[in-house]
Amino acid sequence: DVKVTQSSRYLVKRTGEKVFLECVQDMDHENMFWYRQDPGLGLRLIYFSYDVKMKEKGDIPEGYSVSREKKERFSLILESASTNQTSMYLCASNYHSGSPAGFTDTQYFGPGTRLTVL
Amino acid sequence: GQNIDQPTEMTATEGAIVQINCTYQTSGFNGLFWYQQHAGEAPTFLSYNVLDGLEEKGRFSSFLSRSKGYSYLLLKELQMKDSASYLCAVRDPNYQLIWGAGTKLIIKP
Repeated sequence: DVKVTQSSRYLVKRTGEKVFLECVQDMDHENMFWYRQDPGLGLRLIYFSYDVKMKEKGDIPEGYSVSREKKERFSLILESASTNQTSMYLCASNYHSGSPAGFTDTQYFGPGTRLTVL
Repeated sequence: GQNIDQPTEMTATEGAIVQINCTYQTSGFNGLFWYQQHAGEAPTFLSYNVLDGLEEKGRFSSFLSRSKGYSYLLLKELQMKDSASYLCAVRDPNYQLIWGAGTKLIIKP
């Protein structure tokens, strides 16, 4: 079974703190993604990475940065947390489309981190 | 712009059939996904359509009409455990997913 794990299920931080969210996948996936999920809105892509040390901005990258030093690990960093970053953060991973493994570019999600910024 | 519409909430009875619709207007199309998300949990993959027609997988089926920008997820023989949110997502030509806000399905006994 594919496994995507996230470092915390629940996190409470104060405004201005630096916050690290970690995601690890065990399927040797090339692609990894960070989304946030808010009530009444679809999943919104923050950043994604298609290879080690590579990153691409998603739809809402402002206030966030990412790091991918190893293939299995993708970190989301909130440089200075603000209350409007209170949200559910979901990490996902998949193979590149066209991978010889066939149709396996389904995104697999971690359990999510519910972050509250006070 | 990119737009995916789903009903916000639906209610159905245990044992019945329910159809959850998804309409999309996107600048490109490269497949449509349905995911299930139980409260407080991660989304899990249900189905994928890239060609017109019906894909059946047990109690769940998904239909796609590309010309109409329309898909539906059909759930038969509803069980209480089917209470969840159902997310529709369109894959764009860059292989990124554009997500709908999800439909919360409530199953009543």
